[in-house]
Amino acid sequence: QSALTQPPSASGSRGQSVTISCSGTSSDVGGYNYVSWYQQHPGKAPKLMIYEVIKRPSGVPDRFSGSKSGNTASLTVSGLQAEDEADYYCSSYAGSNNLRVFGGGTKLTVL
Amino acid sequence: EVQLVESGKNLVQPGGSLRLSCAASGFTFSSYAMSWVRQAPGKGLEWVSVISGSADSTDYADSVKGRFTISRDNSKNTLYLQMNSLRAEDTAVYYCAKNPKAFYSGSGTSFDYWGQGTLVTVSS
Repeated sequence: QSALTQPPSASGSRGQSVTISCSGTSSDVGGYNYVSWYQQHPGKAPKLMIYEVIKRPSGVPDRFSGSKSGNTASLTVSGLQAEDEADYYCSSYAGSNNLRVFGGGTKLTVL
Repeated sequence: EVQLVESGKNLVQPGGSLRLSCAASGFTFSSYAMSWVRQAPGKGLEWVSVISGSADSTDYADSVKGRFTISRDNSKNTLYLQMNSLRAEDTAVYYCAKNPKAFYSGSGTSFDYWGQGTLVTVSS
């Protein structure tokens, strides 16, 4: 069982927006602004999409945005495109004893 | 361009040992902490271990503590994971991942680049 809770699936039509949630506790998501999101296409390595809750690495489209409220972080993908169909994982710093925890992943389907 | 290339024997019996390697290029290897993250077949991601850029500090997930040892050779730009007393539940794709800072704390614990992964199968 994963430390962070994500919905197993999400979907949206091309051009629409979808938001994926990531629920944790005050010991991880709620306690630090160190949430990151990763995109993984089938058979491929994960790719960093968002770090420190809201920051985007260079090269990541601004259609991807992150936010956090309390113990829940969210990833929003706007203007959905076919290539956005993938698994998305959230991750959070959880203190010096448990370093880094992940969510179980959300499969995003673009209709 | 950052490149991380994992290698290592793929099939081992329960109780056996295995060493994974990760060859890094495209960045100043010794300036960054490095991690191993694994993914069991059809499952999610699990952080395994991390080592600081200077190799003077390491940390492990509880699930591998006492069985796995992470190390690095900064002169060879290579990261290692020595895996002992392997169990069936260690079967996974193992990814080498770069951390964004020299020490792994707070903002330094995310993973900004990943290797392509290597499948380790523990089975008799």
